[in-house]
Amino acid sequence: DQQVKQNSPSLSVQEGRISILNCDYTNSMFDYFLWYKKYPAEGPTFLISISSIKDKNEDGRFTVFLNKSAKHLSLHIVPSQPGDSAVYFCAASASSGGSNYKLTFGKGTLLTVNP
Amino acid sequence: SAVISQKPSRDICQRGTSLTIQCQVDSQVTMMFWYRQQPGQSLTLIATANQGSEATYESGFVIDKFPISRPNLTFSTLTVSNMSPEDSSIYLCSVTGVNTEAFFGQGTRLTVV
Repeated sequence: DQQVKQNSPSLSVQEGRISILNCDYTNSMFDYFLWYKKYPAEGPTFLISISSIKDKNEDGRFTVFLNKSAKHLSLHIVPSQPGDSAVYFCAASASSGGSNYKLTFGKGTLLTVNP
Repeated sequence: SAVISQKPSRDICQRGTSLTIQCQVDSQVTMMFWYRQQPGQSLTLIATANQGSEATYESGFVIDKFPISRPNLTFSTLTVSNMSPEDSSIYLCSVTGVNTEAFFGQGTRLTVV
């Protein structure tokens, strides 16, 4: 039973346009959400996170939106650059129970930004 | 952020053998984590390694198959024992940052033949 779902295995966008990566979750105990980027032969790199007390967090070209009622979050990259081409993972954790360090990951979305 | 080094970066092993993966962190950390990413799947937490105590394993993972050592605050090893082709995965070491974000090593790509 996948608690974090990334339903699009891949996404292709043109350089300069917006990339929107989506993520859905089922566990209502999740209250902290993270996005990671992974290049081939490298480990995942932390990008941006959002707490459930917010609905938006922005860091440069990256913005994460959280819709708690829909159990949905999205990562927007504007403008997209060829160097953004990578696999993006959505992850979630629950702060209750003392296990806030446990991250549950989605399967990832391969983003390709075409020049 | 922490700098995490993993060795080996990749290996091809015969079934029935064991492989030990090393993870070195550039700063002292209380908890270190081992993840597995099977082909086409998400990252899955195997166990949490605390210095001075036994590792805590997640559901579906057992110490006999994945023994872990944590001799000090900057180093840990994960052994994949009695390997079968189903163990072919990327194994990742990670530590937690200030705000729960995890930092990862580059991973070890294991192929069992």
